[in-house]
Amino acid sequence: EAQVTQNPRYLITVTGKKLTVTCSQNMNHEYMSWYRQDPGLGLRQIYYSMNVEVTDKGDVPEGYKVSRKEKRNFPLILESPSPNQTSLYFCASSVLGLHSPLHFGNGTRLTVT
Amino acid sequence: SQELEQSPQSLIVQEGKNLTINCTSSKTLYGLYWYKQKYGEGLIFLMMLQKGGEEKSHEKITAKLDEKKQQSSLHITASQPSHAGIYLCGAVLLITSGTYKYIFGTGTRLKVLA
Repeated sequence: EAQVTQNPRYLITVTGKKLTVTCSQNMNHEYMSWYRQDPGLGLRQIYYSMNVEVTDKGDVPEGYKVSRKEKRNFPLILESPSPNQTSLYFCASSVLGLHSPLHFGNGTRLTVT
Repeated sequence: SQELEQSPQSLIVQEGKNLTINCTSSKTLYGLYWYKQKYGEGLIFLMMLQKGGEEKSHEKITAKLDEKKQQSSLHITASQPSHAGIYLCGAVLLITSGTYKYIFGTGTRLKVLA
C-alpha cells in the first residue's frame, strides 16, 4: 500500500531533550516536506526536500533540522525542544514537487513540557 | 495564511443540505488542491484544479476554479455525516520570478447533523 509513515504518533518530552520524528514513504517520491499545524495558524511548512541531499527552509525552520540521505526517508530533528514546539506535525511527499498532490502521513502529536 | 483565505471558518449543516466552502487568493493560483482532514489525522487529497474555469467532481463533491484563477469553491451536495471534517485548500503561488510556493488555507471545520 502506497503510504507515508510517521513515527511516533504521540510524543511527550521535556524541554531540551533531543528527539527525532521519522518519516518514510514507499512511493519513490522525490519531494518531501514537513509541516506543523497549530490552531488558528493552519499548516506551516518547516523544511522541504526536492531530492536526496537537497533540503531547504520553509516558513518556520527555527529550532528544527532535517536530513535526506535516502529518497524514502526524511527525519525531523529537534535538537533542543521548547514548549513553543508543541504542535501536530505532518510529513508529506509528492511525485512532482509543488505541481502534484501531497500525500500526508497520519501526524505526530508532540508535547514539550 | 493571509495569502490564502478560506471561508467560512466553520460550518454546521443538517444532513441532506448543500454547502459551499470558498478559497480566495490575492495572487494568481498556479495549482489549487482540496484536502480533507479528519480530526487529528492526516490530510487526504480530494481534487486538483489547474486551469481557469476548470471544474471537477467526485461523488457528491464538486470543486471549481474561477476564470481568473484567484478563487476556488468546494460544493457538497446532499451532505452526509461522513462529510464531516476539516477541509483545507492548498495552493501554488508565484512568489518571485521563477519561485513558487505551496501554502494552505486555515481550513473550514464542517459538522453535519444527522
